Amino acid sequence: DGGITQSPKYLFRKEGQNVTLSCEQNLNHDAMYWYRQDPGQGLRLIYYSQIVNDFQKGDIAEGYSVSREKKESFPLTVTSAQKNPTAFYLCASSRVPGRRTNSNQPQHFGDGTRLSIL
Amino acid sequence: AQSVSQHNHHVILSEAASLELGCNYSYGGTVNLFWYVQYPGQHLQLLLKYFSGDPLVKGIKGFEAEFIKSKFSFNLRKPSVQWSDTAEYFCAVNAVGTYKYIFGTGTRLKVLA
Repeated sequence: DGGITQSPKYLFRKEGQNVTLSCEQNLNHDAMYWYRQDPGQGLRLIYYSQIVNDFQKGDIAEGYSVSREKKESFPLTVTSAQKNPTAFYLCASSRVPGRRTNSNQPQHFGDGTRLSIL
Repeated sequence: AQSVSQHNHHVILSEAASLELGCNYSYGGTVNLFWYVQYPGQHLQLLLKYFSGDPLVKGIKGFEAEFIKSKFSFNLRKPSVQWSDTAEYFCAVNAVGTYKYIFGTGTRLKVLA
């Protein structure tokens, strides 16, 4: 079955340490996204990528970095500069708008990675 | 800047009660609208979507939503909720032609058996 795989499910980070969250999709989607979910704040966009080797900052990109070397993969690195990294991180993907419509397709989400600080 | 407001943060209903969750957005252009649901321990799933046409859209599991352009609203409704509807519900907006999706803060629904 096609879908999005995030790993690991749980991750612990020590102070001053960088950690990388994995996101792989086999849906052949061009666009991929990283969100952070905190209680009472909904989903906030960290980074998104429309195509391989291209990505844009979202609303809360500080302290995070991404790469998009392959269509299927969009890893997120939480750097030591992120002062409050404890959160639930969600990866998503979507198709791009078709030629005859401006409508974006719905996003498909992974199961998430819960990051905690030791 | 685009934003999405979900007015109810927590809702508690008894089974068979009717449900309406509010969603308002701020954006002057053409939008695509979505409702997602996150059941306990599961990933976000699409409930329904509006792109164009009939403003009343029907989704899975008996949910529907109505787009009222003049009110910038996209409220979610269900005539009779079930215990299995206990979940968190998110409204999302995407400005046509852009790749950004803006999510509301979510509404936690608890249905009492």
